[in-house]
Amino acid sequence: RKEVEQDPGPFNVPEGATVAFNCTYSNSASQSFFWYRQDCRKEPKLLMSVYSSGNEDGRFTAQLNRASQYISLLIRDSKLSDSATYLCVVKTGYGGSQGNLIFGKGTKLSVKP
Amino acid sequence: EPEVTQTPSHQVTQMGQEVILRCVPISNHLYFYWYRQILGQKVEFLVSFYNNEISEKSEIFDDQFSVERPDGSNFTLKIRSTKLEDSAMYFCASRRQGDWNTEAFFGQGTRLTVV
Repeated sequence: RKEVEQDPGPFNVPEGATVAFNCTYSNSASQSFFWYRQDCRKEPKLLMSVYSSGNEDGRFTAQLNRASQYISLLIRDSKLSDSATYLCVVKTGYGGSQGNLIFGKGTKLSVKP
Repeated sequence: EPEVTQTPSHQVTQMGQEVILRCVPISNHLYFYWYRQILGQKVEFLVSFYNNEISEKSEIFDDQFSVERPDGSNFTLKIRSTKLEDSAMYFCASRRQGDWNTEAFFGQGTRLTVV
């Protein structure tokens, strides 16, 4: 089983659409969860951390279900500039001092006019 | 805004040659990482480095790879004898000491092409 698994995509949506990304992880001891965004041939950039209680940042909402080992990202009112690959990322290890990031393969989003 | 810088942006090398990829992490960060991404594939962890030693390494990080922090600012990845399958984008990342969700900042990457 892959460590971090995502929808294969790609997602092609019109501007203004709501789009949801799903992710599952295999290591039940994982401690931290993130969504990163990666533009073509660029470095990954943190979009948002994912907290157990769920969290929202403008048009973006992230949810975590530890029991199901499932993470989601919802983008509302999508913009052309949201076009990118969205990476589900899980941090192994304990505490803030150790651990590394395990990436999913990513889901490509294309927002069309 | 402070950033992680990597040089060169693109490196072409012949198979069997040694390459050194260079990174300057953000100045007050204490944890350093190398990741790689083969074209069309996922970002893969190579190695983490803290307090002047390797904290963790993946199966990819075999004896051909080494890391060094030669001075107070640079963090390098050396591949001793490059293979065709080493062709990838290599990302350096750094993180300050902090709580569990402290962000890791990535450099813009070095694209390594082995011919």
